[in-house]
Amino acid sequence: AQKVTQAQTEISVVEKEDVTLDCVYETRDTTYYLFWYKQPPSGELVFLIRRNSFDEQNEISGRYSWNFQKSTSSFNFTITASQVVDSAVYFCALSSGFQKLVFGTGTRLLVSP
Amino acid sequence: NAGVTQTPKFQVLKTGQSMTLQCAQDMNHEYMSWYRQDPGMGLRLIHYSVGAGITDQGEVPNGYNVSRSTTEDFPLRLLSAAPSQTSVYFCASSSGAIRGETQYFGPGTRLLVL
Repeated sequence: AQKVTQAQTEISVVEKEDVTLDCVYETRDTTYYLFWYKQPPSGELVFLIRRNSFDEQNEISGRYSWNFQKSTSSFNFTITASQVVDSAVYFCALSSGFQKLVFGTGTRLLVSP
Repeated sequence: NAGVTQTPKFQVLKTGQSMTLQCAQDMNHEYMSWYRQDPGMGLRLIHYSVGAGITDQGEVPNGYNVSRSTTEDFPLRLLSAAPSQTSVYFCASSSGAIRGETQYFGPGTRLLVL
């Protein structure tokens, strides 16, 4: 069975702090995909990144970076120099089988000025 | 492109009433799906479709029906609403049914069943 664990329910930081959101996954598949989505207070789900199981290179996009480690089954997300606009719930998800996304329970990030 | 659209945005139902949540996409995507989001539980897959005329159950299908008569539309029907179906419902689509295609979500429908 596939499972995604986001152990951090809520994180509070002050603006300009760096913050890392943890994601640990379980799957027996050798080919799989991992995703991060952002859900701002307005409620929509915004796609951030997709990573396949064969590509362990870290990725950086502006202030966002992702660290994928198959050895620890983790796909962590770091925001550098956080801003108030980063306040949201962040979901990690695993794609298995026929496009079935399995979501973690989400991490709520609160960035205060 | 409007992307994935959902109507209504908010709905209040009484126990036992039926209703249809509408979902449409204008990206010619093959794959469409419905998820529900409940506090502390993330999103869970209700039903999905890999193309017109083809649907299948997800993790929590009980109490819901779907059909896919066109590529564009994927309505979700609640036959007899129950308070346990109070949730936020998201529709999503992706260009293919192949594992790993990015799914894009609609804005959601917030449903309250009294």
